[in-house]
Amino acid sequence: QTVVTQEPSFSVSPGGTVTLTCGLTSGSVSTGYYPSWYQQTPGQAPRTLIYSTNIRSSGVPDRFSGSILANKAALTITGAQADDESDYYCLLYMGDGIYVFGTGTKVTVL
Amino acid sequence: EVQLLESGGGLVQPGGSLRLSCAASGFTFNNYVMSWVRQTPGRGLEWVSVISPSGDSTYYAASVRGRLTISRDNTKNTLYLQVNSLRAEDTAVYYCARRCRSDWFYFDYWGQGTLVTVSS
Repeated sequence: QTVVTQEPSFSVSPGGTVTLTCGLTSGSVSTGYYPSWYQQTPGQAPRTLIYSTNIRSSGVPDRFSGSILANKAALTITGAQADDESDYYCLLYMGDGIYVFGTGTKVTVL
Repeated sequence: EVQLLESGGGLVQPGGSLRLSCAASGFTFNNYVMSWVRQTPGRGLEWVSVISPSGDSTYYAASVRGRLTISRDNTKNTLYLQVNSLRAEDTAVYYCARRCRSDWFYFDYWGQGTLVTVSS
């Protein structure tokens, strides 16, 4: 069974930069998996941040950026703000109608 | 404005069944792939199922295949998820989500979710 791995947690200082990654237990993540990223705060529905590796969803600040780094999808927050404190999930399209979410990363801004 | 409103959640005994609904508005429902995603308490998101715009094609996560059935009624702009043989591990918030219209394979709008609790 495919497992999509993310760091369990990250801490970043206000104004700092953090890069979250999204990898596969077997194989490399490429643009062909159409990686997307979602932000979720407790009790709320997910919010779409990035799709197709690096395209920001409408209304998403440009401090959020997506890329492929070292065979993983990556989400970078540059100039972190207090309201960026959330859980972040990646999603990969595996083909044949199948999607898999990553395990999620909890980001703390302090 | 795109809106997705889930309903049908609640407390159900192990082995029971539920049908979840997602009422869609603000877009042409029968043009879009739709999906269900669930989140167990305190844990991560799990993709569950997806259905084509016409309803002819459906796909499921391996963990739920055979017990969950996704369907849609395009005349009512409503997405459904039939959940049978419920287990404790099915306890979760169930979200419906719209997949983007292009072939970029991501979910662009989400409902607020409906909570299913499986307990005796």
